[in-house]
Amino acid sequence: QVQLVQSGSELKRPGASVKVSCKASGYLFTSYSVDWVRQAPGQGPEWMGWINTNTGKPSYAPGFTGRFVFSLDTSVSTAYLQIGSLKPEDTAVYYCARVQSSGNDFEYWGQGTLVTVSP
Amino acid sequence: EIVLTQSPATLSLSPGERATLSCRASQSVGSALAWLQQKPGQAPRLLIYAASNRATGIPSRFSGSGSGTDFTLTISSLEPEDFAVYYCQQCDTYRTFGRGTNVESK
Repeated sequence: QVQLVQSGSELKRPGASVKVSCKASGYLFTSYSVDWVRQAPGQGPEWMGWINTNTGKPSYAPGFTGRFVFSLDTSVSTAYLQIGSLKPEDTAVYYCARVQSSGNDFEYWGQGTLVTVSP
Repeated sequence: EIVLTQSPATLSLSPGERATLSCRASQSVGSALAWLQQKPGQAPRLLIYAASNRATGIPSRFSGSGSGTDFTLTISSLEPEDFAVYYCQQCDTYRTFGRGTNVESK
């Protein structure tokens, strides 16, 4: 079955960087893009963008350019989200997600990675 | 950016009652709208896709309707496990989420 398994919680200081991983299994990794979604405490989800797992080309939603980098290691079916120059307002749960096999909506989600940015 | 406005923010109901949740888009999204359920500490779960299609394994008490700018999620008879936050999400132009409706037990 399709699974997306993310790395564990992170506590970082402002100005540091963090890299979150999302390991896929149960399907051919390069057949579907991987999207990233942020959810700040008590807020609704925000779509951050996606990465084409075939070409490695990332696409970033408005508001997620500059400090946010999507990357891949297709040899281990893993997508990565790196955030640089962390700010306290980056504190959130970050999810990776994949669309349905025959559709365009997020049927598969990672369990989420809590990133806390605090002095 | 397409803004999705959900109403009400909170819905207080009892098990067995009918829940009707609304999602309005700032411009037409056709039928490119999904509904997701989220419980505390869990990832969102897809309930409805393409406005009116139930996702795999979703009970028939969940139904979606609408097109263009106005959409509705109906839960015909609330079960205890249905108390959660519900989000609408469009994928017509980029992707955006609504701010959610909290369905709480009265």
